[in-house]
Amino acid sequence: GQSLEQPSEVTAVEGAIVQINCTYQTSGFYGLSWYQQHDGGAPTFLSYNALDGLEETGRFSSFLSRSDSYGYLLLQELQMKDSASYFCAVRALTGQNFVFGPGTRLSVLP
Amino acid sequence: EPEVTQTPSHQVTQMGQEVILRCVPISNHLYFYWYRQILGQKVEFLVSFYNNEISEKSEIFDDQFSVERPDGSNFTLKIRSTKLEDSAMYFCASSEFQDRTQETQYFGPGTRLLVL
Repeated sequence: GQSLEQPSEVTAVEGAIVQINCTYQTSGFYGLSWYQQHDGGAPTFLSYNALDGLEETGRFSSFLSRSDSYGYLLLQELQMKDSASYFCAVRALTGQNFVFGPGTRLSVLP
Repeated sequence: EPEVTQTPSHQVTQMGQEVILRCVPISNHLYFYWYRQILGQKVEFLVSFYNNEISEKSEIFDDQFSVERPDGSNFTLKIRSTKLEDSAMYFCASSEFQDRTQETQYFGPGTRLLVL
């Protein structure tokens, strides 16, 4: 099965950089995804790492290290609108089951 | 930009009643999913659907749940006899998923179900 862990809350100020970690225990997966969810909203796709290393998409970057069972989402130049919950997720090598982590609530302060 | 749509946005029902939640996935997508999210908790996978059949389901997706693609556009989740603990936000999602080097699911806005 798959099990993912994330910090429950992170707080940072506008303009800062924040890293949200995701550690996992899984029997095998295709890649690590990150989703953003604002209160009352739907999850929206941010980034996906199929291979080890860093993927950069604008202010957001995501990193995966399969050997360390670890990944992170890096948010730069934080803006107030980045205040949301962030979920890592994996899909098992078998089947279509997509497992989300517990989510990290990011609060960006002025 | 194409998007996943869901109806209704809110549904209130009495315990024991049947509800049908509707979704219109993005038109060229092949894989469809239902998730639920109890207030304040993580998103939980319910079921995935491909080629007109269920491809995977979680332990949450028991006999009271069913999915259907009645026509070329709609994808429905039916809960036969609702229980109080079924109260949650239900999200539909779709993906092209033809290449496992990419992994993007597009989520609908959700249906908030309240069982009284």
